[in-house]
Amino acid sequence: DTAVSQTPKYLVTQMGNDKSIKCEQNLGHDTMYWYKQDSKKFLKIMFSYNNKELIINETVPNRFSPKSPDKAHLNLHINSLELGDSAVYFCASRLGGNYEQYFGPGTRLTVT
Amino acid sequence: AQRVTQPEKLLSVFKGAPVELKCNYSYSGSPELFWYVQYSRQRLQLLLRHISRESIKGFTADLNKGETSFHLKKPFAQEEDSAMYYCALSGRMDSSYKLIFGSGTRLLVRP
Repeated sequence: DTAVSQTPKYLVTQMGNDKSIKCEQNLGHDTMYWYKQDSKKFLKIMFSYNNKELIINETVPNRFSPKSPDKAHLNLHINSLELGDSAVYFCASRLGGNYEQYFGPGTRLTVT
Repeated sequence: AQRVTQPEKLLSVFKGAPVELKCNYSYSGSPELFWYVQYSRQRLQLLLRHISRESIKGFTADLNKGETSFHLKKPFAQEEDSAMYYCALSGRMDSSYKLIFGSGTRLLVRP
């Protein structure tokens, strides 16, 4: 299937832990994004990478570190997790010159 | 500042009734406007983009630059239309084409 995939789908962890979320797209897109959807369903951009280069960092705490090993992957590592990090994190991708973004299924992170 | 406003958090209608989900935007350049839909616990899917001017699942949206609006309409709502709807804006901001979302409107279509 051609798509944007994320692992894991659900992640439950304790405060203070470090965790990673992975995203992969096989659409041949060159730009990838991380969005956060909070408990009120509000969606906000966090990061964007274009051809493995960081182009957006929207005032996200530096506990969050994105990494793009290649154009098809964009991972999100979170250090010292806090209760407020509980949210659904969506990965998305886009092909240069096109505005449409394709979203992954989301990773529901719960910090206890 | 770039901003998308969806004034209604919840819109509840009966099946067969007309639906209008409101969206207003603020953007200094020429924006691209989109409607994304999120069915229960599913991924966001693109429903409409203004430039295509097409009707998807009976929904239409017209960009009104004078009123800076991009309202989503459907003449006869169906129960399967119940979902979260997001209006979003994109443009050549930071050369990133990032999406700026409104706060979303939950549409509930009652039988």
